[in-house]
Amino acid sequence: QKEVEQDPGPLSVPEGAIVSLNCTYSNSAFQYFMWYRQYSRKGPELLMYTYSSGNKEDGRFTAQVDKSSKYISLFIRDSQPSDSATYLCAMSADTNAGKSTFGDGTTLTVKP
Amino acid sequence: DAGITQSPRYKITETGRQVTLMCHQTWSHSYMFWYRQDLGHGLRLIYYSAAADITDKGEVSDGYVVSRSKTENFPLTLESATRSQTSVYFCASKEWLNTGELFFGEGSRLTVL
Repeated sequence: QKEVEQDPGPLSVPEGAIVSLNCTYSNSAFQYFMWYRQYSRKGPELLMYTYSSGNKEDGRFTAQVDKSSKYISLFIRDSQPSDSATYLCAMSADTNAGKSTFGDGTTLTVKP
Repeated sequence: DAGITQSPRYKITETGRQVTLMCHQTWSHSYMFWYRQDLGHGLRLIYYSAAADITDKGEVSDGYVVSRSKTENFPLTLESATRSQTSVYFCASKEWLNTGELFFGEGSRLTVL
């Protein structure tokens, strides 16, 4: 079983919809939780970063971490066609030399 | 320009040939990583380096070799390419151990015939 499981998708939503992307994990040592966005034929770019549990908001994006349930989410409000991309969750711990473990990614398409 | 540069961006080779993918970063980040990305497997770590001359294996290191004689360069070599190594390879760096953010290059798309 993988350390990080991500809802596979693909996901297709109309413009303006609220999108929820989710990951679960099994390693309780994970402390750093990231969401990367990857456009087609590009490298991933960091979108949201959270340390430990809690919520973090940045514009239309909200990241939630529930360490008790080992569950993280990314919410996108008022989704736009420009949000169409693959979203990757990633996690790391102080104990693993800074290595990040990634989910497989969820491909999102926002239709105008 | 500052950032991570990977070369070549596209490469086609034959089974058994040696291939080297180059990675150069201009930030002087201590930590560098090589990932491969395949459908159904996400990003998997091949090798990482904490500093010049310090490297260690990731989860899928068989068939790959790395070196890091200078902080800014982290080449990845496929000693004898196999078809299963057809993939998109991403180099990444991070400044500090205990932060999450990885900075990725644009990727090198390798096809092994």
